[in-house]
Amino acid sequence: AQKVTQAQTEISVVEKEDVTLDCVYETRDTTYYLFWYKQPPSGELVFLIRRNSFDEQNEISGRYSWNFQKSTSSFNFTITASQVVDSAVYFCALSEARQGAQKLVFGQGTRLTINP
Amino acid sequence: GAGVSQSPSNKVTEKGKDVELRCDPISGHTALYWYRQSLGQGLEFLIYFQGNSAPDKSGLPSDRFSAERTGGSVSTLTIQRTQQEDSAVYLCASSPGLYTTNEKLFFGSGTQLSVL
Repeated sequence: AQKVTQAQTEISVVEKEDVTLDCVYETRDTTYYLFWYKQPPSGELVFLIRRNSFDEQNEISGRYSWNFQKSTSSFNFTITASQVVDSAVYFCALSEARQGAQKLVFGQGTRLTINP
Repeated sequence: GAGVSQSPSNKVTEKGKDVELRCDPISGHTALYWYRQSLGQGLEFLIYFQGNSAPDKSGLPSDRFSAERTGGSVSTLTIQRTQQEDSAVYLCASSPGLYTTNEKLFFGSGTQLSVL
């Protein structure tokens, strides 16, 4: 069965600190996709990144970086030099190719608070 | 508007009443999804529409839930005989529909449903 675990329910750091959000997934499919979404207080989820199971290259986008490791079934997200605007709930999600549809399985989310 | 629009933003109803939630996807997006976000269950997939194909209803929790999509655009999620456990945020999302499993989704701000 497919499952996504975000063990960190809440994280609170001081502005400019680096912070890593953990994500561990379970799937029996060999072709799958991993996502991170951000949910600010306004409520709508905002896409951050997509990764397919065949591409383990890490990715950096500005202050954001993602570490995908199939050996540990993890897809962790790091924010460098955090800012107050990064405060939000962050969701990791999994989609399996064999499902034939974009049935995202979400983790429970990590609420990140950046304090000034 | 340019984004996914949902109405109403808040809905309070009495147990046993029927409710209709509306979603207006991004123009040109052929894929439309409904998800539910609740404190106990997190984010759950409900239903998926793709073009003129039969919808994937595998996530609907009971036969009190139904959805339709008219003219390949606007969608309505109907909950009959509402129960208190239906209280949640109902999120709609759309995507271009070019790929089935790895597209980024564009979410609306959701409808907060409260069943008294």
